[in-house]
Amino acid sequence: QLQLQESGPGLVKPSETLSLICSVSGGSISRSSYYWGWIRQPPGKGLEWIGSIYYTGSTYDNPSLKSRLTMSVDTSKNQFSLKLSSVTAADTAVYYCARPRTGTPYYFDYWGQGTLVTVSS
Amino acid sequence: QSALTQPASVSGSPGQSITISCTGTSSDVGGYNYVSWYQQHPGKAPKLMIYEVSNRPSGVSNRFSGSKSGNTASLTISGLQAEDEGDYYCSSYTSSSTLVLFGGGTKVTVL
Repeated sequence: QLQLQESGPGLVKPSETLSLICSVSGGSISRSSYYWGWIRQPPGKGLEWIGSIYYTGSTYDNPSLKSRLTMSVDTSKNQFSLKLSSVTAADTAVYYCARPRTGTPYYFDYWGQGTLVTVSS
Repeated sequence: QSALTQPASVSGSPGQSITISCTGTSSDVGGYNYVSWYQQHPGKAPKLMIYEVSNRPSGVSNRFSGSKSGNTASLTISGLQAEDEGDYYCSSYTSSSTLVLFGGGTKVTVL
């Protein structure tokens, strides 16, 4: 059974960089044709797609975050990661990593449990 | 790009049917059959309920069905049960550079 688990600091200071890792078990990132995704949800609000990454490093990025967003893959560890720079309070959210149902990265059927990241001094 | 438009809340009695709408544009909902629906319970990750407008993943009850007409997609829950309470989000591929749009979410209450 595929499982995804987010990890990273729960508190980040304004203007610093938010860094998260998604660890995948039960399946290989590099042996599948999926664009692995990141989605976030501010407290009490709706979902926002952040971006998606293929095991080769090819990415799709949300234009509203693109200038601050870096995604990468570590196939040796079966992980992919997210870095969001120059964070503000507006970046406070539960961050999810997810795998799409098919090779098209438009809908996700495996999700991590989510990790809350708070931006505060 | 603006999120897809959903009603803030929908309610119904046990056994009834309810429908949640999701309105977009010809660049997203109306132009492609990549509409999906998610159910989310408090403190939990979203769960995929419908993909490609009307397909159900295995394990999802057939009480959940999806459809689309023009720029509006709909999720219908028939035979409403207490466990159906939660938040529901629609999502769609968009031909804009954003790629994936979500709706603002609809809170379903079982009376």
